[in-house]
Amino acid sequence: EPEVTQTPSHQVTQMGQEVILRCVPISNHLYFYWYRQILGQKVEFLVSFYNNEISEKSEIFDDQFSVERPDGSNFTLKIRSTKLEDSAMYFCASSDGLAGGVQETQYFGPGTRLLVL
Amino acid sequence: AQSVTQLDSQVPVFEEAPVELRCNYSSSVSVYLFWYVQYPNQGLQLLLKYLSGSTLVKGINGFEAEFNKSQTSFHLRKPSVHISDTAEYFCAVSGAAGNKLTFGGGTRVLVKP
Repeated sequence: EPEVTQTPSHQVTQMGQEVILRCVPISNHLYFYWYRQILGQKVEFLVSFYNNEISEKSEIFDDQFSVERPDGSNFTLKIRSTKLEDSAMYFCASSDGLAGGVQETQYFGPGTRLLVL
Repeated sequence: AQSVTQLDSQVPVFEEAPVELRCNYSSSVSVYLFWYVQYPNQGLQLLLKYLSGSTLVKGINGFEAEFNKSQTSFHLRKPSVHISDTAEYFCAVSGAAGNKLTFGGGTRVLVKP
């Protein structure tokens, strides 16, 4: 069964450093998402991406964050200058999007646990 | 704006007993509702979803949920749990295709032998 994959599974970085989190969505999916979960808190939406551009972003997704689909398979989240409060589990998800006007399921990857020291 | 409330942060339950996880939502538009499960050290896996039609939705692993529009609820139930159902369960809502999911705080289910 196709699945969303994410690398690395764990990342430790120093405050102020740049990190890139990588995701390979399911191959025929059109919508891509990043969410994060700070330890002990809710899963929060960061950004959605469709047709090579951001379709929606949350207040969390400020200028320090960017997303890219550099080729036909990868979807990346870059944090330019990490802060302590960026420590969280980051989940990538993908979906078919519209199918007869009906919401399609978002399939989640296993996550990347980011620790900023 | 949408929001989701999961009333129980933790639910201990004995094996083979029934379990109900409560979820209430608020939204100014029509919603799609989802339950996801997160097993230890794994990602989020879809259990079931309500898009339209019958308000009783059956999912994987024997779970079902009932959409109640008047009470703005989408409670998850299983008549008899197994040890393997120990996990965290998340209720989520979205407004339309391609839209973000808004999650509840999660309910941790611990199944005891």
